[in-house]
Amino acid sequence: SQTIHQWPATLVQPVGSPLSLECTVEGTSNPNLYWYRQAAGRGLQLLFYSVGIGQISSEVPQNLSASRPQDRQFILSSKKLLLSDSGFYLCAGGAQETQYFGPGTRLLVL
Amino acid sequence: AQSVTQPDIHITVSEGASLELRCNYSYGATPYLFWYVQSPGQGLQLLLKYFSGDTLVQGIKGFEAEFKRSQSSFNLRKPSVHWSDAAEYFCAVEVMDSSYKLIFGSGTRLLVRP
Repeated sequence: SQTIHQWPATLVQPVGSPLSLECTVEGTSNPNLYWYRQAAGRGLQLLFYSVGIGQISSEVPQNLSASRPQDRQFILSSKKLLLSDSGFYLCAGGAQETQYFGPGTRLLVL
Repeated sequence: AQSVTQPDIHITVSEGASLELRCNYSYGATPYLFWYVQSPGQGLQLLLKYFSGDTLVQGIKGFEAEFKRSQSSFNLRKPSVHWSDAAEYFCAVEVMDSSYKLIFGSGTRLLVRP
């Protein structure tokens, strides 16, 4: 099965600063990759997904963007963070129907 | 539109008691269904999945789930809960358009009494 790595585990950033969260996948080639956000006490919201290098689909309009520079690398970015960007960000990946999740990054924007 | 409902926000059971977490879905086609578990501050771990075939599926950690098409349900069960099962549980249905996408329920938080 696949292993999903995410870093950093925790991040505290000031409003207006840039963001870069990284996700890498082991154990499979050409996976579908996903970024989710989980607000405190809530379920998961799909932000972006990618079916291949350079192919990004956005699910919700927002202050964030995603990129996939390599087959098993998925990056979540922002040029200027907002307070509302705080949350728990989860990367997921899978070769076919099953998604495996990384450990998550907790982002606090102050 | 596709959706997943987990009607119980919190459930408390005593250690050693049986457990059933409810999940109802809305999806026009044959669903792919999943249960994930999340410990505090952690990512999601796949417990089990249903694609087709036997409607009773076995998962990790002693969990099982039963798909009932007539009730649009996929309830998660465990015969004897352990304190380490305290966590949040998410049911999801998978849809396919340009990619596989999971639609999650809002989760059920399980508390285990000693």
